[in-house]
Amino acid sequence: NAGVTQTPKFRVLKTGQSMTLLCAQDMNHEYMYWYRQDPGMGLRLIHYSVGEGTTAKGEVPDGYNVSRLKKQNFLLGLESAAPSQTSVYFCASSYPTGGPVYSNQPQHFGDGTRLSIL
Amino acid sequence: KQEVTQIPAALSVPEGENLVLNCSFTDSAIYNLQWFRQDPGKGLTSLLLIQSSQREQTSGRLNASLDKSSGRSTLYIAASQPGDSATYLCAVRGSNYQLIWGAGTKLIIKP
Repeated sequence: NAGVTQTPKFRVLKTGQSMTLLCAQDMNHEYMYWYRQDPGMGLRLIHYSVGEGTTAKGEVPDGYNVSRLKKQNFLLGLESAAPSQTSVYFCASSYPTGGPVYSNQPQHFGDGTRLSIL
Repeated sequence: KQEVTQIPAALSVPEGENLVLNCSFTDSAIYNLQWFRQDPGKGLTSLLLIQSSQREQTSGRLNASLDKSSGRSTLYIAASQPGDSATYLCAVRGSNYQLIWGAGTKLIIKP
């Protein structure tokens, strides 16, 4: 059972470089999320998607873009990395296809991507 | 704006003790509250989910309670073990898809 898989697991970038984080889930979930986790703070939602081809902004979307071209994949892009984007990034998914929209289902998380911007 | 607070930020107890972790939230209009466990270098694992209409949920040695009116939840761990050492996070879900998270309590169980 793969669940939610994030790649890469670690990455170091220089300021101004771009990169894409990949999240893949094999649970046929409709909803997918990208969070960042910083020391001493709770997780903060960057962007989320409620289905293939749809995306929406979360709490801290600036500096990030996302795409959900396939149901199983949710990509997070940094166009011009900044040191403030140094963080641990988590992807999550929830709500199996056909389930109630507001069903009380927990989110399933990947192991995270540790990103450092120098 | 919903805010979630977890106190203390860290807790160390001897093995075998029963313990309580606290979570408070400012807006009582929630759909559910969830408790997660996070191990170092790993993602988060859902432990318990309490719906807004429920007062508590139990799973093995874990019991979570919810008091919406006072904006509080507790996670009770019975007979703690070294394997329970981890960071425990709570999150509340409001009227949209988003979860609002606490910063977590880092729990260390000493053998």
